[in-house]
Amino acid sequence: GDSVTQMEGPVTLSEEAFLTINCTYTATGYPSLFWYVQYPGEGLQLLLKATKADDKGSNKGFEATYRKETTSFHLEKGSVQVSDSAVYFCALSLEGGYNKLIFGAGTRLAVHP
Amino acid sequence: GAVVSQHPSWVICKSGTSVKIECRSLDFQATTMFWYRQFPKQSLMLMATSNEGSKATYEQGVEKDKFLINHASLTLSTLTVTSAHPEDSSFYICSATLAGGYNEQFFGPGTRLTVL
Repeated sequence: GDSVTQMEGPVTLSEEAFLTINCTYTATGYPSLFWYVQYPGEGLQLLLKATKADDKGSNKGFEATYRKETTSFHLEKGSVQVSDSAVYFCALSLEGGYNKLIFGAGTRLAVHP
Repeated sequence: GAVVSQHPSWVICKSGTSVKIECRSLDFQATTMFWYRQFPKQSLMLMATSNEGSKATYEQGVEKDKFLINHASLTLSTLTVTSAHPEDSSFYICSATLAGGYNEQFFGPGTRLTVL
């Protein structure tokens, strides 16, 4: 069935380090792909999205490219900050828009000064 | 941005009792709300989709008589876990959207349910 696989956390980095969180998917159709972020005590927030192959989503210094050939949507940031500490969820939708979101298990990121 | 709240943030109950969780959209009218369940270190799993004024649509494998969903107004949806058992212990998350699934979902902070 359709699914999303993320790298297990926690990921621990020093401030200004480069971040990669891997995400791969299995889907029968042509999904839209999303990254959500959840800060402590808050609800999930949409971080970025891509709706077709080779699209690059970007926001707040984060970016991810929709790679159909590798069925991947890895999240990257060139220089992380302590304030980026959160749980990051990769997700897909097969029904257009934001319907029927299928989430990965989430990856916790901890950034130390 | 749009804000969604959940109440309570955590609840502990005895086996056999029922628990109601509220999901409110605070600054917008939500025609559609979603309920998710998350087990430790696992994905959020969609349980059901509810549209204001109509019956909820449940995902395969989710017992509708066990998890009662009511979406009586454009700002409030409730999930009632009936006759709760320890296996129902989980993190329940709601989200709300303006008009169907083609608009961004805004998520609540979640409710931790522990059934003793």
